[in-house]
Amino acid sequence: GDSVTQMEGPVTLSEEAFLTINCTYTATGYPSLFWYVQYPGEGLQLLLKATKADDKGSNKGFEATYRKETTSFHLEKGSVQVSDSAVYFCALLHQAGTALIFGKGTTLSVSS
Amino acid sequence: SQTIHQWPATLVQPVGSPLSLECTVEGTSNPNLYWYRQAAGRGLQLLFYSVGIGQISSEVPQNLSASRPQDRQFILSSKKLLLSDSGFYLCACLLRKSPYEQYFGPGTRLTVT
Repeated sequence: GDSVTQMEGPVTLSEEAFLTINCTYTATGYPSLFWYVQYPGEGLQLLLKATKADDKGSNKGFEATYRKETTSFHLEKGSVQVSDSAVYFCALLHQAGTALIFGKGTTLSVSS
Repeated sequence: SQTIHQWPATLVQPVGSPLSLECTVEGTSNPNLYWYRQAAGRGLQLLFYSVGIGQISSEVPQNLSASRPQDRQFILSSKKLLLSDSGFYLCACLLRKSPYEQYFGPGTRLTVT
C-alpha cells in the first residue's frame, strides 16, 4: 500500500542554518504531495504542496520539489529561525483517495 | 476559506467516564471529515473518516465511536474512557474538489486520569 517515510528526528539546528528534512513515498500513479507544520499545542497547518512531477511548492521560505524519479519530496529552507521550531509532516493524497497518508513527523528545534 | 472549530479545547476526565468531542466546519460543503489522535511525541493516528452524513469508516477498532449527524458536524464519542485514550484529538476536513487540500482544527487535549 501507499506509504510516506520521513527522516527520524529530532533535528537540532542553529539559527540561520540550512534545513533539509527528507521525505520519500511509495504510491501508484501520481499522488499530490504535502508538507504540514505543527507548532506546539496547535493543529496542523498546510505549509506547501505539489500536485505533479517537477512542481515546486514554496511558502514562508520553505521549498520542496516533487521528484517522481526518486519518489521524494524533501523540505528545504535556506536559513531557519527560532520560530520555525515545530513538527513537520510529509503527506500524500491520491486524487481519488479518501484520506491523506502521513509520515511520522520530524521535530525541528532551532536555537539562537 | 475553511474554518474548523473543535471543543472543548482541553478536557480532563476520569477513567470509565463518557466522552463527547465536537467538530464543526465552516466555509465548505460536503467535505470528507476525519478524527485523528496524536499521543505525546508521536505521529498521527487516523481513527475515523466520513464521506457523508451517517457514513463512518473506522480505521482502528477500539472503544471510540464517531457520528456525522449533519454535513459539517463530526462527533467523537466513548461510553467508557481508558487511560490509553489520553492524547491530542484533531478534526480535519478534506475538500473533495480541486485543490484537494486538507485542513485541521485546533485540537482537543484529553487527559484521562
